Amino acid sequence: KNQVEQSPQSLIILEGKNCTLQCNYTVSPFSNLRWYKQDTGRGPVSLTIMTFSENTKSNGRYTATLDADTKQSSLHITASQLSDSASYICVVSDRGSTLGRLYFGRGTQLTVWP
Amino acid sequence: EADIYQTPRYLVIGTGKKITLECSQTMGHDKMYWYQQDPGMELHLIHYSYGVNSTEKGDLSSESTVSRIRTEHFPLTLESARPSHTSQYLCASSASIGPGWDLYEQYFGPGTRLTVT
Repeated sequence: KNQVEQSPQSLIILEGKNCTLQCNYTVSPFSNLRWYKQDTGRGPVSLTIMTFSENTKSNGRYTATLDADTKQSSLHITASQLSDSASYICVVSDRGSTLGRLYFGRGTQLTVWP
Repeated sequence: EADIYQTPRYLVIGTGKKITLECSQTMGHDKMYWYQQDPGMELHLIHYSYGVNSTEKGDLSSESTVSRIRTEHFPLTLESARPSHTSQYLCASSASIGPGWDLYEQYFGPGTRLTVT
């Protein structure tokens, strides 16, 4: 069964600190992995997309890593800001359907305190 | 910020009413999607469209219906709303970002929070 599991479910950190969010998946055949940021009451916004051949990708203070062998990914946030408070969703796409189906994790709810 | 819009943003309606959630995009994307999301849960695909006059059901069974008469417009309709339809509905469109049909960027609208009393 294709699944995407994220940990932790929620996380509270102080402003300026770093944090790492985890994602494990069983989706096969694998196509690509995305990280989205979803602010409360808004739609998700894409942070990074990584294909099988990419190990790491950065977008400003966000750095995503991918280990396709162990089917794990992480999202590292550096020097957190209050505006980073949001849900971070790991999404994996498969190659097994014409749609390029996306499998969504439940997200990690990050809260940044001043 | 993607140019994809949803109206209304919030809707509270009584059981049995017919409702239509609007979604429009100005990017000319062929592929559009409807997702349902409950608090703390993952997004579930309920409908998608490859283009005009093309609509398909997604993974999650839904009593809603969709239509795609124009590229930019993808409305979702519930003929008779029930409390079990209470949820957040997210519309999205996508565009290819590289070689291969499976590498695309998906842009989401702000969502419609539906409450059926």
